[in-house]
Amino acid sequence: SQKIEQNSEALNIQEGKTATLTCNYTNYSPAYLQWYRQDPGRGPVFLLLIRENEKEKRKERLKVTFDTTLKQSLFHITASQPADSATYLCALDDQAGTALIFGKGTTLSVSS
Amino acid sequence: SQTIHQWPATLVQPVGSPLSLECTVEGTSNPNLYWYRQAAGRGLQLLFYSVGIGQISSEVPQNLSASRPQDRQFILSSKKLLLSDSGFYLCAWSGGLAGVGAGELFFGEGSRLTVL
Repeated sequence: SQKIEQNSEALNIQEGKTATLTCNYTNYSPAYLQWYRQDPGRGPVFLLLIRENEKEKRKERLKVTFDTTLKQSLFHITASQPADSATYLCALDDQAGTALIFGKGTTLSVSS
Repeated sequence: SQTIHQWPATLVQPVGSPLSLECTVEGTSNPNLYWYRQAAGRGLQLLFYSVGIGQISSEVPQNLSASRPQDRQFILSSKKLLLSDSGFYLCAWSGGLAGVGAGELFFGEGSRLTVL
């Protein structure tokens, strides 16, 4: 079965710096990969989706890359702000393509 | 616009008691519906998903069950709760992604269950 590893449980950075979060997966290569944000006590909120034929995708201060050779996605937040502090989850389709499986997430803390 | 409602938001139940969590979606038809659980210190675990009325797929064998009595209603149940059932339960829906996969998921606000 597919396994997803987000290899940092916690990441602490200073305001204004770029945060880089990593997502690695094993086994089959998905058709696309997603990133979500989750605040404490709330449900995850969709941020970005990148397809296997897209190397990079941007949305405002967010950038996602997808390397199917390395089986890795990088999620960048530029000019980070304290309001960016949250847990960020990587997600892929299961092999049947009917449900998403999630990594455990990386908790980002941005200090002012 | 589409909305998802999930209730109750919080509940404390004794071991051995029954459970019923309800989720409804508005503003869309024939959604894919999901129940996830997030236990303390663990990631989101997929419990059940449904692609249509009466169609339920279970991902993890356990003492929980799910039902979809109507197109936009998804219910999570248990006849007898265990301590290990404590966690944050999340309902979600998706419209699918052009036959490729699940697509973007929209989550409810969650139900925090504590089993004592």
